[in-house]
Amino acid sequence: GQNIDQPTEMTATEGAIVQINCTYQTSGFNGLFWYQQHAGEAPTFLSYNVLDGLEEKGRFSSFLSRSKGYSYLLLKELQMKDSASYLCAVTLAPGRTTDSWGKLQFGAGTQVVVTP
Amino acid sequence: DGGITQSPKYLFRKEGQNVTLSCEQNLNHDAMYWYRQDPGQGLRLIYYSQIVNDFQKGDIAEGYSVSREKKESFPLTVTSAQKNPTAFYLCASGSIGGSPEAFFGQGTRLTVV
Repeated sequence: GQNIDQPTEMTATEGAIVQINCTYQTSGFNGLFWYQQHAGEAPTFLSYNVLDGLEEKGRFSSFLSRSKGYSYLLLKELQMKDSASYLCAVTLAPGRTTDSWGKLQFGAGTQVVVTP
Repeated sequence: DGGITQSPKYLFRKEGQNVTLSCEQNLNHDAMYWYRQDPGQGLRLIYYSQIVNDFQKGDIAEGYSVSREKKESFPLTVTSAQKNPTAFYLCASGSIGGSPEAFFGQGTRLTVV
């Protein structure tokens, strides 16, 4: 099975930077996703890392270390609208016919609160 | 516009009744998924389907049933056997071997009283 851990809640000030860590223990790993979810809404895709290193996309960056079972999502220049839950999810290795990208194992999510 | 649609957004049912949640997508995705979300917990996979007329159990399939008679549709039935059905249900779809992004519907909040 999969064990995916991320902090429950983080608070930061508008304009600041916040780093959300995610550690995972898996019995097969292909890649790691980050999703953003506002309360009562659908998760929206932020990033996908399959190789080690940093992927930058505007104000959001995501990092992966496969050897350490570790990822982080970095949110820069925080805005009030960034207040949401951020979900870390892993997908198993390809090649298994019963698996596909959407069969994800999720962490419990990190609630980010942005204050004025 | 292409997308994935769940209905209804809110649903109330009496205990002991079966209820079916709708999920439709026009993204031409082969794979569709049902997740359940409870407060303080991550999304958990209920059922998934990668091809019409075929589906597999996820991690928490007990008390649920699905069908996949059409590529566009993947309804979920919450049966009376599900002991704690009150939750937020999310449907998703995605490519197999293509773009890794899974697209989620807006969710259905089911409350059983």
